[in-house]
Amino acid sequence: LAKTTQPISMDSYEGQEVNITCSHNNIATNDYITWYQQFPSQGPRFIIQGYKTKVTNEVASLFIPADRKSSTLSLPRVSLSDTAVYYCLVGENSSASKIIFGSGTRLSIRP
Amino acid sequence: DAGITQSPRHKVTETGTPVTLRCHQTENHRYMYWYRQDPGHGLRLIHYSYGVKDTDKGEVSDGYSVSRSKTEDFLLTLESATSSQTSVYFCAISEPGTSGGADTQYFGPGTRLTVL
Repeated sequence: LAKTTQPISMDSYEGQEVNITCSHNNIATNDYITWYQQFPSQGPRFIIQGYKTKVTNEVASLFIPADRKSSTLSLPRVSLSDTAVYYCLVGENSSASKIIFGSGTRLSIRP
Repeated sequence: DAGITQSPRHKVTETGTPVTLRCHQTENHRYMYWYRQDPGHGLRLIHYSYGVKDTDKGEVSDGYSVSRSKTEDFLLTLESATSSQTSVYFCAISEPGTSGGADTQYFGPGTRLTVL
């Protein structure tokens, strides 16, 4: 199972760009990298997924270097509503049962 | 948002009593999951189902059983609740092969269970 390591917590301010890095040194060839966001008292919500290089959607960007041993979730111009826990997961298709969520990164945004 | 509901949303019970939590989906997704979330532990998989009557154990399955008699419903049962099972329980669903990558899971609103 590919294990991930990410910072326990991060602080930033409104309007800043926030980058959260996740380490996954034993990622397998077929594994994808997925990020989820969880607000207090809610279930996690899918943000973005990628396999290599860069992926961008309306919410975030995901940067994956060539060796794929790490990935960086980038949130542009954060607001107070981006305060949440962010989880980095690694796994392949049809193996969701084997994916481990871990403790995530608690991101706090200040005015 | 994916059509996932959990019931009850809150429950307080006593040690030794049986408890059943229900997850209901309207998305016709094949996979369903039960997780528990405790402070400092993130989400941990209890059991999952990959089809009607097809279930398997997750990381923390001891003390829990599940059943899936219909595609839309996945039940989690605590046969004899203990205080260590006080937690927030999340149900999730996924449909393999729809995203082109790893399965995307959609989560329900959660059930807060307190065992006294």
